[in-house]
Amino acid sequence: AQSVAQPEDQVNVAEGNPLTVKCTYSVSGNPYLFWYVQYPNRGLQFLLKYITGDNLVKGSYGFEAEFNKSQTSFHLKKPSALVSDSALYFCAVRDRNSGNTPLVFGKGTRLSVIA
Amino acid sequence: KAGVTQTPRYLIKTRGQQVTLSCSPISGHRSVSWYQQTPGQGLQFLFEYFSETQRNKGNFPGRFSGRQFSNSRSEMNVSTLELGDSALYLCASSPTGENWQPQHFGDGTRLSIL
Repeated sequence: AQSVAQPEDQVNVAEGNPLTVKCTYSVSGNPYLFWYVQYPNRGLQFLLKYITGDNLVKGSYGFEAEFNKSQTSFHLKKPSALVSDSALYFCAVRDRNSGNTPLVFGKGTRLSVIA
Repeated sequence: KAGVTQTPRYLIKTRGQQVTLSCSPISGHRSVSWYQQTPGQGLQFLFEYFSETQRNKGNFPGRFSGRQFSNSRSEMNVSTLELGDSALYLCASSPTGENWQPQHFGDGTRLSIL
């Protein structure tokens, strides 16, 4: 079965500092990995995905994520945080090798960027 | 290109009633998935439809049902509403629902049960 863990419920960072939101996953085969962001009273907005190839994936709004197969991690990063990055972030996984399967989400990490 | 549209945005019902929520996917997208989001349980998968057929189903009681029309629009229905059904219901679409395709979400319907 697929699962995603986001070990931090809340991450606080000062504006201008680098940010990291952690994600680890478990699948029986190889993963497709996704990051989404949710602003208040809105749906989830797609940020980036890892399909194959380069382990460093670049996405929207200056976000990037690094796929680490040995550590089964897919941490979200940004070199310089903005107050407007404050939101709820979700990591999600699908198993590449098990046919059409539902997207499985982590519990989410609330990012707070302080001016 | 218009995004995923969900109607209504807000809904208040009482226990025992039923409700129907609507989702219009991005034009050309044929896969529609539904999720329930609550503070306690997070995002939970309800079901996925592709070409009017249910392709996947989550672990929800039979009171939760859905369908998809030939234009890919989808509805979900919840019968005999319970207090615990209060949640944000999110719809997401993708071109064909293949595992590598990101899903694109609507802004949801917030359902409150009194």
